[in-house]
Amino acid sequence: DAGVIQSPRHEVTEMGQEVTLRCKPISGHNSLFWYRQTMMRGLELLIYFNNNVPIDDSGMPEDRFSAKMPNASFSTLKIQPSEPRDSAVYFCASSLDSAGTDTQYFGPGTRLTVL
Amino acid sequence: KNQVEQSPQSLIILEGKNCTLQCNYTVSPFSNLRWYKQDTGRGPVSLTIMTFSENTKSNGRYTATLDADTKQSSLHITASQLSDSASYICVVKGGGSQGNLIFGKGTKLSVKP
Repeated sequence: DAGVIQSPRHEVTEMGQEVTLRCKPISGHNSLFWYRQTMMRGLELLIYFNNNVPIDDSGMPEDRFSAKMPNASFSTLKIQPSEPRDSAVYFCASSLDSAGTDTQYFGPGTRLTVL
Repeated sequence: KNQVEQSPQSLIILEGKNCTLQCNYTVSPFSNLRWYKQDTGRGPVSLTIMTFSENTKSNGRYTATLDADTKQSSLHITASQLSDSASYICVVKGGGSQGNLIFGKGTKLSVKP
């Protein structure tokens, strides 16, 4: 398996623009997680899905952020409108089980810069 | 308040030396504790996951310990290699949903030749 795939790897956009980040989890994994990482705040969990259903979105910073998982092999994280403070590295991760004891496998991340 | 504190913030050691990274947490209830290694520009990679009943878990030259009574964990790296240069992140899962993860800020380790 190729591991968790994220695209794009880098995104530079202007304030106010819509940004869509994409993730393909490892085949067979039923949990998917979106994280944001900054120097100031470290890693933060934004939202996670189990069997394509959003379970906990309490980490989503505000209404400008939304995430979807239309099927088991694809998820998106959208920011509309984007702001400079959204600049960060966004990671997607997937795991096999929903019990919380299984290893999470992270993708390479998308580095987002909002000017 | 649920928190995970890691120390030191950064560490420089010579190749071949051992080192120990610390993680103190105040998360309650406690489910499990994970150590991740994150190379620069890459996603974190899981090193160990320990539940309440586990005191020690090893992964090659990495050995994690957990004292659930004092709410402390350590990650010991033996015979360090240049490739160990990375950030090491301690993550504690609290009770409840799988999303209840509290992250430390990480320790940045540099191994010099």
